[in-house]
Amino acid sequence: DTEVTQTPKHLVMGMTNKKSLKCEQHMGHRAMYWYKQKAKKPPELMFVYSYEKLSINESVPSRFSPECPNSSLLNLHLHALQPEDSALYLCASSHAPGQSYEQYFGPGTRLTVT
Amino acid sequence: GIQVEQSPPDLILQEGANSTLRCNFSDSVNNLQWFHQNPWGQLINLFYIPSGTKQNGRLSATTVATERYSLLYISSSQTTDSGVYFCAVNAGNMLTFGGGTRLMVKP
Repeated sequence: DTEVTQTPKHLVMGMTNKKSLKCEQHMGHRAMYWYKQKAKKPPELMFVYSYEKLSINESVPSRFSPECPNSSLLNLHLHALQPEDSALYLCASSHAPGQSYEQYFGPGTRLTVT
Repeated sequence: GIQVEQSPPDLILQEGANSTLRCNFSDSVNNLQWFHQNPWGQLINLFYIPSGTKQNGRLSATTVATERYSLLYISSSQTTDSGVYFCAVNAGNMLTFGGGTRLMVKP
């Protein structure tokens, strides 16, 4: 099974709200990723978790706060977002961090900030 | 960082036609993946192909790592092939995507 699940599928939030995105995989993968994708653009890496520890933060604003409670779960906590943060947020996982492992993506959460 | 360029950016085909999508990259890579992003945003893994040739049904891919390019072949295209095709390379612990090829297959 090569499935990564994400909830919710859609989220509309105001600029003062706090919300969380959730990602889950049961493939035994030890690397998990958050990507952001704007319309008609390719996905861009935000964060990498390696063995439940944050290993890469691509200069993401602090209003995005990732969390990896265990090896199967990855959360993205959202607070005080701006309308320009509206995008598709994709989660991915791979067997381990590093250059040679295939990444598998979840279906994404489509976020609208009003 | 590594640069990834895909061509053509847009492609319109009649159902049943064949096509070739190209991905050029600027440096050596350890990992190359092709994805199809459907209209709902799901990225579907097509091939993991750092080198060589692979085939899966009507799709096949070839990566020539020494010349820094990869090709995705779609034969007998169907309307369900419509969407965006991305190649992505990993050369330094992160996946870098090309700009994508937006494919529309008309019935």
